[in-house]
Amino acid sequence: SSELTQENAVSVALGQTVRITCQGDSLRAYFANWYQQKPGQPPVSVIYGRNNRPSGIPDRFSGSISGNTASLTITGAQAEDEADYYCTSRDNSVNLLLFGGGTKLTVL
Amino acid sequence: QVQLQESGTGLLKPSETLSLTCSVSGGSMRTYYWTWIRQPPGKGLEWIGSISHTGNTNYNPSLKSRVTISVDTSKNQFSLRLTSVTAADTAVYYCARDYPFYYDNSGYYGYFDFWGQGTLVTVSS
Repeated sequence: SSELTQENAVSVALGQTVRITCQGDSLRAYFANWYQQKPGQPPVSVIYGRNNRPSGIPDRFSGSISGNTASLTITGAQAEDEADYYCTSRDNSVNLLLFGGGTKLTVL
Repeated sequence: QVQLQESGTGLLKPSETLSLTCSVSGGSMRTYYWTWIRQPPGKGLEWIGSISHTGNTNYNPSLKSRVTISVDTSKNQFSLRLTSVTAADTAVYYCARDYPFYYDNSGYYGYFDFWGQGTLVTVSS
C-alpha cells in the first residue's frame, strides 16, 4: 500500500541518541527524505537521499534505509532538535509523493 | 539565496475555488520542479502536486480531479488552483522548490530545499 508509518512521539534525554523510523513498501527501492518542522515555521530538510545533509545541517543528523524501513538518527540530541519530523518518499511507479504522519520529538 | 512567497485569497466559502501564486526570487525556475504542499491545522503534511519548469505536472491522486498547477517562468511564478473547496481544504499552503538529486528509468528523486513561509487558507460559510 502507498503509505508511510512513523511513531507518533519519541523522547530523548539531552545529549543522548535517538532514532525515528519510517516504514513503508515504497521505501524498498526508493530514497527517503527527512524534514524538521518547528511550531509556526515551514519544514526544513535535514536528510535527503540515502544519507545526505543539506548545507548547514549539523552532522549529528544521519539517515539510513534497511528493507522497508528508513531511519533518522540524531546522535547527541540538542534542545533545539525538539520538533516534528516527517519522512517522505516518492513512488514513481504511480507518480506519487508520500509524507509520513510525522513524529513529535521531545528533548528532555 | 532563493526565496519563495505565497500569495492569494485567505478566506473562501464552500464550493469556491482556491487560487494561490508562489513567487520565486533569487534564482531561475529552470532545471527544478515546483511543488505545493498543505498542512491542516495541527495535522501533518500532504503533497498536492508538482510541476516542472516546462509545465509537466504530477498530482496527488486524492486531489487530482480538483487541482491544476501551472507555471509562468517569464514571471518566475507558479500557481495552484483547487476547485470546489470544503472545510477539509482548510490548511496552511506551502510552495517549495523540488531539487532533483537522482534520476533513473522511473523518473527523478528530489527533495524540497527551499520553502515559502506558508499561507493559511480557511474555508468557512
